[in-house]
Amino acid sequence: NAGVTQTPKFQVLKTGQSMTLQCAQDMNHNSMYWYRQDPGMGLRLIYYSASEGTTDKGEVPNGYNVSRLNKREFSLRLESAAPSQTSVYFCASSVQREIPYEQYFGPGTRLTVT
Amino acid sequence: GESVGLHLPTLSVQEGDNSIINCAYSNSASDYFIWYKQESGKGPQFIIDIRSNMDKRQGQRVTVLLNKTVKHLSLQIAATQPGDSAVYFCAETPRDDKIIFGKGTRLHILP
Repeated sequence: NAGVTQTPKFQVLKTGQSMTLQCAQDMNHNSMYWYRQDPGMGLRLIYYSASEGTTDKGEVPNGYNVSRLNKREFSLRLESAAPSQTSVYFCASSVQREIPYEQYFGPGTRLTVT
Repeated sequence: GESVGLHLPTLSVQEGDNSIINCAYSNSASDYFIWYKQESGKGPQFIIDIRSNMDKRQGQRVTVLLNKTVKHLSLQIAATQPGDSAVYFCAETPRDDKIIFGKGTRLHILP
C-alpha cells in the first residue's frame, strides 16, 4: 500500500495563478482532509470530506475549493493564488471522521506564491 | 479561547536517555488526545492516543500521561534513539468532529 500520496511535491506560483493539488489514498478510508502548516503554527484544517460525495469547510477555507472525486481522491484547488497561501499543504485520510482519529498523512506539497 | 500549546519549543536529550515532551491544553471539553511525530520533510505520523477516561496509556517505547485536573498531557519516550529526532505535537478534540493541533516541540538527540 502506498498510503496517502500527494502531487506535486513542490510548486511555485505567481500571484493570481491557479493550480490543483492532488491527493489519493489506497486504504479504503471514508474521510479525507486538507491541512496547511505554517511556521510557528499548528496544522489548520482547510476542508474535509467526511465521506464520498460530501465536503465541508474547515477552519481556513477562504481562497480554496475542493473536490471529492471518488472514494480515493480529494483535490484542493487554488483559483487565484495569493502570497498568504504560501505554505506546506498536507492531505490526510482516516477510516471515519470521529473518535478514534487515526489520520494518515501524505508527504506534503510545499507551495510558494510570489 | 481554544488552544493547544507546548511548554518548550526545543528539547535536547542524550541518546539512550528518556525524553518527556509536554503539552498544555485549554479546552476542558476535550476528551480525546493524540500525539504525532513529524520528521523533516514528511507528513505527521500518528504515535499514540488517549481518551479522557484514562490517565495513562503505553505503546512501544512511548507512554502518554493525561492529567485532566491541570489540563496537561505528556509524551514519554524511553531510551531515546537517533530515529526519534523529529517535531512532536499533540492534538485535542473539543468535540467529536474537531481536532486542534498544537505548534510542536522539536526533539534533538545528542550523541
